[in-house]
Amino acid sequence: SAVISQKPSRDICQRGTSLTIQCQVDSQVTMMFWYRQQPGQSLTLIATANQGSEATYESGFVIDKFPISRPNLTFSTLTVSNMSPEDSSIYLCSVGTGPGNTIYFGEGSWLTVV
Amino acid sequence: GENVEQHPSTLSVQEGDSAVIKCTYSDSASNYFPWYKQELGKRPQLIIDIRSNVGEKKDQRIAVTLNKTAKHFSLHITETQPEDSAVYFCAASTDTGRRALTFGSGTRLQVQP
Repeated sequence: SAVISQKPSRDICQRGTSLTIQCQVDSQVTMMFWYRQQPGQSLTLIATANQGSEATYESGFVIDKFPISRPNLTFSTLTVSNMSPEDSSIYLCSVGTGPGNTIYFGEGSWLTVV
Repeated sequence: GENVEQHPSTLSVQEGDSAVIKCTYSDSASNYFPWYKQELGKRPQLIIDIRSNVGEKKDQRIAVTLNKTAKHFSLHITETQPEDSAVYFCAASTDTGRRALTFGSGTRLQVQP
């Protein structure tokens, strides 16, 4: 499996500010995704991060709120913009790798908006 | 799009008993079905997965079964131990197109010593 590093691991953010989360993988991967996990809930896909082109967003998520970059096959960023307390969640980077493109998760970025 | 339903939402068993968690999916094109275990404060960890060309897969105390006709798959944990206590998520995806996982709502398993 790939080693997936996320930064920051945890942060407390002020309402109205923006925060960028970084995801670094130790090998080139074709598939990279960003998920959100609200407190006590399941995982919801925000978007697929596409290398060299705009991310593909799921229903209910928009680029202005969650801009994503993926400049190469090992790195991506997710920005949570103009944060409100409802954005308090775990944000998880995931990649597909190995035989059959098994999906693995980074350690997550735990954001609390106050 | 794909919809995955998971039952039960909570499950309490005695140590040594078996636990079964069931999921159904809606998209007949789905052909990959992983299970993740998430302990408190940690990321989801893949524990077992199955693809549509296989009906059952085992790994020590954990097994997964798949019924493509009925569009359901199940996780079976035998001889449960307190360290099996966690939230378990099922998921489904396809090998082509979107390929992202759609998750079930999760099952909180509590193994009583």
